[in-house]
Amino acid sequence: AQSVAQPEDQVNVAEGNPLTVKCTYSVSGNPYLFWYVQYPNRGLQFLLKYITGDNLVKGSYGFEAEFNKSQTSFHLKKPSALVSDSALYFCAVRDRETNAGKSTFGDGTTLTVKP
Amino acid sequence: DGGITQSPKYLFRKEGQNVTLSCEQNLNHDAMYWYRQDPGQGLRLIYYSQIVNDFQKGDIAEGYSVSREKKESFPLTVTSAQKNPTAFYLCASSISTSSSYEQYFGPGTRLTVT
Repeated sequence: AQSVAQPEDQVNVAEGNPLTVKCTYSVSGNPYLFWYVQYPNRGLQFLLKYITGDNLVKGSYGFEAEFNKSQTSFHLKKPSALVSDSALYFCAVRDRETNAGKSTFGDGTTLTVKP
Repeated sequence: DGGITQSPKYLFRKEGQNVTLSCEQNLNHDAMYWYRQDPGQGLRLIYYSQIVNDFQKGDIAEGYSVSREKKESFPLTVTSAQKNPTAFYLCASSISTSSSYEQYFGPGTRLTVT
């Protein structure tokens, strides 16, 4: 079975400060990991993914995420937050060897960036 | 302009009625998915399809049905057997169901059943 945990329902940061949105995962094999963002009443937009190779992945809008196999984590980061980054963020995992076609999503973390 | 369209954006139905949600993509993707989103519960997979005329149940398929007669289209029917149908429904597609491919999402349909 595969699962994702986003331990924080809400993250609040001031504009210009660094932000981190946490994600831990569990898979029986090796993971593919994804981050998506959702603005109110909209679909999800893909931000970045980890497939293999470099543990630091860079994505859209200045976001990056670090894959840590020993801690089974894939935290989303941005060096300097913008008010426009305020949204709902989802982490997702797929097991490389099993569950082809099925992603498991976390419950989401609401990021609020205050001016 | 490539992407995924879902219609309508808002849908209202009376209890006991079946309702069909539309999902169309022009990305030439093989795989398509339907998710249900409820507040605080993330996304839950209803059905997915890897190729035309083939689909598999997801984690919460009871009370739902789908068809995949064309590559571009993957409509979802919410039947009267679905006990709690009010939710935000999201359709997605990906190049294939190969695990490394990200999904592209439509704008969603908010269904309210009273």
